[in-house]
Amino acid sequence: DAGVIQSPRHEVTEMGQEVTLRCKPISGHNSLFWYRQTMMRGLELLIYFNNNVPIDDSGMPEDRFSAKMPNASFSTLKIQPSEPRDSAVYFCASSPGKAGGDTGELFFGEGSRLTVL
Amino acid sequence: QKEVEQDPGPLSVPEGAIVSLNCTYSNSAFQYFMWYRQYSRKGPELLMYTYSSGNKEDGRFTAQVDKSSKYISLFIRDSQPSDSATYLCAMSAGGAQKLVFGQGTRLTINP
Repeated sequence: DAGVIQSPRHEVTEMGQEVTLRCKPISGHNSLFWYRQTMMRGLELLIYFNNNVPIDDSGMPEDRFSAKMPNASFSTLKIQPSEPRDSAVYFCASSPGKAGGDTGELFFGEGSRLTVL
Repeated sequence: QKEVEQDPGPLSVPEGAIVSLNCTYSNSAFQYFMWYRQYSRKGPELLMYTYSSGNKEDGRFTAQVDKSSKYISLFIRDSQPSDSATYLCAMSAGGAQKLVFGQGTRLTINP
């Protein structure tokens, strides 16, 4: 299997611009997660989906952030308008999820490194 | 107080040394304990997984869980330069959606 695929790997943009990050989870995984990683705060969960439905978006920092999962093989994280403090590495991860409760193993993509000038 | 505490390091040791990485936690409901390894500019990948208390060994790596002390450890024997990475502990009461990560410890093994 190809693993979790994220694009773009690197994005440099100017403050105020719209940023869209994309993710293709591992086929057959029914949970998808978006994380943000910074030196100061480590890995922070932004939002997760189960069977394409957003379950918990309490980690989304503010209304400028939105995420969608239109089907089982694709998700987007959008920031509009972007700000310099959004600069971070954004990871998408998927999980197989087992009936009766999965163990919590996540499979991460290689991340999208965002720099907002 | 954070739910999971991990010394961010950095930690630098010579090749061949035994490395000990640790995390403490406050939530007694945690049952699943993991160590993820993250190489520079890569995503984290699962290294070790332990359910409840006890030890688990995989080659040069040993994971220990002490639920009574709310303390978990990862030991690396005969450390190699290829072990240089950031190691993140993670734990859950059940379910990937409840996975809580430590800050990560940056480890460098010097040849």
